[in-house]
Amino acid sequence: KAGVTQTPRYLIKTRGQQVTLSCSPISGHRSVSWYQQTPGQGLQFLFEYFSETQRNKGNFPGRFSGRQFSNSRSEMNVSTLELGDSALYLCASSFLPGQGSFNGGYTFGSGTRLTVV
Amino acid sequence: AQTVTQSQPEMSVQEAETVTLSCTYDTSESDYYLFWYKQPPSRQMILVIRQEAYKQQNATENRFSVNFQKAAKSFSLKISDSQLGDAAMYFCAYYGAGAGNMLTFGGGTRLMVKP
Repeated sequence: KAGVTQTPRYLIKTRGQQVTLSCSPISGHRSVSWYQQTPGQGLQFLFEYFSETQRNKGNFPGRFSGRQFSNSRSEMNVSTLELGDSALYLCASSFLPGQGSFNGGYTFGSGTRLTVV
Repeated sequence: AQTVTQSQPEMSVQEAETVTLSCTYDTSESDYYLFWYKQPPSRQMILVIRQEAYKQQNATENRFSVNFQKAAKSFSLKISDSQLGDAAMYFCAYYGAGAGNMLTFGGGTRLMVKP
């Protein structure tokens, strides 16, 4: 079956702009989590969505937001981009929220590489 | 808050040899899960192996095995018969209710495999 699909793979934006990233989970997976990966901070949890509701949120400013649609696809949005937002954004899906460990763990996409100039 | 520490930023191993990657974590929970993920240049995080804290038996997946020491809060990954395709970043991760049902990752270890 198809894996987790993230689009676009690469993105270059200018400071102050906003950006929207997309994630399509594995068919049947209803939970989607987002992580930011940077060389300095490593992998950090952004938020998790299940049934179109945000269940959990990491320690990021309000400029970072997300949503989930009825087909479980998720988008994350970053407004007023800063240079420090340059990162690899990874999406992970699982069958049920908090069940990532029971059902084979989370399945990750290949990420979106965002560069802010 | 839970923390995960990988003390080896880089490791090197000769092809066909065995290498062990270290991971320690800090938690006050008794029930949790630990994972090793591999991230090759393709960037996708691939689950290598997982361990449930309530299980005393160490997990094994083909050439990959772990040494889980719950009291010492240590979770090392052993790769046997290393192959060129094993070269990647390896991340240790913690998952538990106390951590907000999210993965907490270590800083990663870059593994190089020499032919």
